[in-house]
Amino acid sequence: AQSVTQPDIHITVSEGASLELRCNYSYGATPYLFWYVQSPGQGLQLLLKYFSGDTLVQGIKGFEAEFKRSQSSFNLRKPSVHWSDAAEYFCAVGKAAGTASKLTFGTGTRLQVTL
Amino acid sequence: DGGITQSPKYLFRKEGQNVTLSCEQNLNHDAMYWYRQDPGQGLRLIYYSQIVNDFQKGDIAEGYSVSREKKESFPLTVTSAQKNPTAFYLCASMGGKSSYNEQFFGPGTRLTVL
Repeated sequence: AQSVTQPDIHITVSEGASLELRCNYSYGATPYLFWYVQSPGQGLQLLLKYFSGDTLVQGIKGFEAEFKRSQSSFNLRKPSVHWSDAAEYFCAVGKAAGTASKLTFGTGTRLQVTL
Repeated sequence: DGGITQSPKYLFRKEGQNVTLSCEQNLNHDAMYWYRQDPGQGLRLIYYSQIVNDFQKGDIAEGYSVSREKKESFPLTVTSAQKNPTAFYLCASMGGKSSYNEQFFGPGTRLTVL
């Protein structure tokens, strides 16, 4: 069974500092990997996704993530955090198949940004 | 604009009552999903549907029911059998192979049992 671990429940960074959110997955084959962001009381918005090819993927809002198969990781990074990045971030893994693939989500990391 | 709508945004229910949460999408997506979100637990899959008139149980289907009579609509009923229904409910949809299994989410419905 596929699973996702986000070891950091809560992270606080200063505005302008760099950010790395950790994500480890368990999956038997090549996974589809996603990072979503959720503002309080809102739905989830896709930041970026990885399916194949270049292991460093770029997303929206200046985020990037690197797929490391040897470490079963897909960590999210941003060089300089803005106060508006404060939100909850979810990593998810899915099967490399067609429609109706189920996603398994991690428990999320809440990011707080101090000014 | 294409997207997913959920209604109502807030819903209050008395114990013992059934309530139905609406989810509509105009993205022409085949698959639709219902998740429950509780603090510290991430998203848990309740039900999903691959095509019209077909749906499958997710990880926490007990106390919930769904229907998929139209491609655009996937309503969720929270029944009185659900012992702890207070939560944030999210609906999502996914298109065909070209979408690479990316799920699009609605804005959510917060259900509170009084």
